Amino acid sequence: QKEVEQDPGPLSVPEGAIVSLNCTYSNSAFQYFMWYRQYSRKGPELLMYTYSSGNKEDGRFTAQVDKSSKYISLFIRDSQPSDSATYLCAMSPNFGNEKLTFGTGTRLTIIP
Amino acid sequence: EAGVTQFPSHSVIEKGQTVTLRCDPISGHDNLYWYRRVMGKEIKFLLHFVKESKQDESGMPNNRFLAERTGGTYSTLKVQPAELEDSGVYFCASSPLGPDEKLFFGSGTQLSVL
Repeated sequence: QKEVEQDPGPLSVPEGAIVSLNCTYSNSAFQYFMWYRQYSRKGPELLMYTYSSGNKEDGRFTAQVDKSSKYISLFIRDSQPSDSATYLCAMSPNFGNEKLTFGTGTRLTIIP
Repeated sequence: EAGVTQFPSHSVIEKGQTVTLRCDPISGHDNLYWYRRVMGKEIKFLLHFVKESKQDESGMPNNRFLAERTGGTYSTLKVQPAELEDSGVYFCASSPLGPDEKLFFGSGTQLSVL
């Protein structure tokens, strides 16, 4: 069993829709949870990170962590064509220890 | 500010040959990481340098892979001899020392072993 499970998609939604991306994990040691965005032929770029359970909002993006269920989510509101990318969840026992465990990534396309 | 630079961007070699990948981290970043993504799989950690020292090389697949970071600046990852299963995208990432420091990734080297 993989430590981190992520639906690879692909996921296509119309512009302006709310997007929900999810990951589940099995390792209870994970404390820091990150979402990376990766455009084609580029490296992953950190979008958001959260510590332990709870929500964190940054503009149109909201990251949510439920440690009791070992489930994390990323919500994108008012989705734009520029949000089209692959979204990767990543986790670590502690921030600053960047031995990250990644999900496989979800390819998202926002249709104008 | 220049980002993490990797080259070559693409490399196509035959099985049994040697390939060396190079990574130039962001200036002043003491942490340097190598990750790899094999087609259809998740990005996986290979190793971590702090300055010139290997902090963690638990993700290195086998002894055909050799990573170095001379003088704590740029890093190289050599695969010798290359096998078919080594094909994938090799990412380098760097960050400053200290907690809550963001990791910056390069665009990766696409390695194809034929």
